[in-house]
Amino acid sequence: DAKTTQPPSMDCAEGRAANLPCNHSTISGNEYVYWYRQIHSQGPQYIIHGLKNNETNEMASLIITEDRKSSTLILPHATLRDTAVYYCIVSPNTGGFKTIFGAGTRLFVKA
Amino acid sequence: GAVVSQHPSRVICKSGTSVKIECRSLDFQATTMFWYRQFPKQSLMLMATSNEGSKATYEQGVEKDKFLINHASLTLSTLTVTSAHPEDSSFYICSAIRGQKSLFFGSGTQLSVL
Repeated sequence: DAKTTQPPSMDCAEGRAANLPCNHSTISGNEYVYWYRQIHSQGPQYIIHGLKNNETNEMASLIITEDRKSSTLILPHATLRDTAVYYCIVSPNTGGFKTIFGAGTRLFVKA
Repeated sequence: GAVVSQHPSRVICKSGTSVKIECRSLDFQATTMFWYRQFPKQSLMLMATSNEGSKATYEQGVEKDKFLINHASLTLSTLTVTSAHPEDSSFYICSAIRGQKSLFFGSGTQLSVL
């Protein structure tokens, strides 16, 4: 069973920030939060991951609450090409970990 | 650029034939790879964990004789769908762990069984 809960869909205006929430209330101390996205008919693309500190890279920012029970992925300036299904996953950061996907959030970026 | 290559991207075959899908890690060695299948508008479902030099570990409900997995080298895992039937038509995706902390996915294979 997936360990995360995400809204099934969200809309965002082009150029605005897209904030995608994820609930992972049963996360363990050694589990990281990973975000991937999948554009139609392609393999998932890695976005970002974190343990407890907020993280930022060229694609997005990840905000993790202090109790680590939820997180938010932020796309600072969404474009039409960011329309995709976004998956939030928790997994221990060790070799051989299984990645179990939940239903994800279908983000629609509108012009 | 892509770090995991999956081939073919699309295959159409007749019912009863077998189809092999390759997954290669391009610039790193992957002792562990994963295979998923995905039906339209659904999430990825983990089928099996492929370990180099040993037998694959299959998820519950996945037929190991139907979906043969071979991980003979540190850069290649193959999934063979044996005696394919129309219900096996699906999008198959592989992934590989790089450096014990990053998981990268192939571009997927759309299998259509007629």
